[in-house]
Amino acid sequence: AQSVTQPDIHITVSEGASLELRCNYSYGATPYLFWYVQSPGQGLQLLLKYFSGDTLVQGIKGFEAEFKRSQSSFNLRKPSVHWSDAAEYFCAVVPTSGTYKYIFGTGTRLKVLA
Amino acid sequence: DAGVIQSPRHEVTEMGQEVTLRCKPISGHDYLFWYRQTMMRGLELLIYFNNNVPIDDSGMPEDRFSAKMPNASFSTLKIQPSEPRDSAVYFCASSKGGGPGELFFGEGSRLTVL
Repeated sequence: AQSVTQPDIHITVSEGASLELRCNYSYGATPYLFWYVQSPGQGLQLLLKYFSGDTLVQGIKGFEAEFKRSQSSFNLRKPSVHWSDAAEYFCAVVPTSGTYKYIFGTGTRLKVLA
Repeated sequence: DAGVIQSPRHEVTEMGQEVTLRCKPISGHDYLFWYRQTMMRGLELLIYFNNNVPIDDSGMPEDRFSAKMPNASFSTLKIQPSEPRDSAVYFCASSKGGGPGELFFGEGSRLTVL
């Protein structure tokens, strides 16, 4: 079955430390890939997306993600985390089959220690 | 430009009552999505529309749920009768077609069914 997996439910990092959030997908072909962030009580906001081309994509707020076809992964990274990055992060995919059915992972909640 | 507008932001009702959630998408967007978010199941796609026409409603839980989009600027999600297990945050999102692009989310409607 098609799926999106975010193996880490919670992650805690110290401010200034680097961050990597994992995302794996299970689809026959490379889907469209997205990362969204959700602050408490808010809707989701797009951080970055990958459709094709360069496998390292840059997003807003200093985030980047790398698509690795061989690992079916699209991990999100940030070199130095700020306290304001504390939020929940969602990986999402859209299969390249003519559908607009966005499927979201279960999310990773990030806590930042001062 | 205004974002996606949802109402009400909070709704508390009793089991058996009818609930109507409303959404105004961003002007010019031709796709509209309804999602439900719970701790147990994460973000679930309920239904999406293209040019006011329902395209995929396979995520609608059961016949108690119905969604309409009478025009390009308004959509409703109705639950009748409501049950405690329907308690969740319901998000509306819109996007502009031409390929899976960014979803713009509203702030959500938090529903509590007692």
